[in-house]
Amino acid sequence: NAGVTQTPKFQVLKTGQSMTLQCAQDMNHNSMYWYRQDPGMGLRLIYYSASEGTTDKGEVPNGYNVSRLNKREFSLRLESAAPSQTSVYFCASSITPYTSTDTQYFGPGTRLTVL
Amino acid sequence: GENVEQHPSTLSVQEGDSAVIKCTYSDSASNYFPWYKQELGKRPQLIIDIRSNVGEKKDQRIAVTLNKTAKHFSLHITETQPEDSAVYFCAAKNIQGAQKLVFGQGTRLTINP
Repeated sequence: NAGVTQTPKFQVLKTGQSMTLQCAQDMNHNSMYWYRQDPGMGLRLIYYSASEGTTDKGEVPNGYNVSRLNKREFSLRLESAAPSQTSVYFCASSITPYTSTDTQYFGPGTRLTVL
Repeated sequence: GENVEQHPSTLSVQEGDSAVIKCTYSDSASNYFPWYKQELGKRPQLIIDIRSNVGEKKDQRIAVTLNKTAKHFSLHITETQPEDSAVYFCAAKNIQGAQKLVFGQGTRLTINP
């Protein structure tokens, strides 16, 4: 099993450009998440999908959109990139957030720079 | 909503000594507290977790303690080794409903040989 995979690994954009970050998991998990990681800020939740067909905003959703394409795939789109969106983006998945443990498994991350 | 504060932001200890990282949370309904380790350039990975119905959990050299009354929990690493150098994140959530995992700001632990 590959676990959680993300593409691309690195990306440089110019202000105003758009792009989509792709995430896929092969663990048959119901829930998927997108986080951004900035120095000194920890991991902040952008959007999540508790189950296929549902998506909800997290702590920092502005400037982003998501699509839960199917049970395996959850994409994050930046419509008009801004320098403030320079960050490392992590996708994660878990079986379900309704159980007494909710171990989240993370992908390798995408390092995005917006010039 | 939940807010998690983590201290210290950086910690440097001598190899073989113990390291302690502390977190406080604001939502008394939170009942699940995992700790993640992130090595340089790698993804965060779960190393230990605790539920609110227990006060302490151990796994070899690492342990987590929980004080529900004070709303704080701590990670203890004994006999530290160079491979323990990493950033550690605490987190908290309420498992009732699809509540979100809220992370602390992280602690960069450096083990000095």
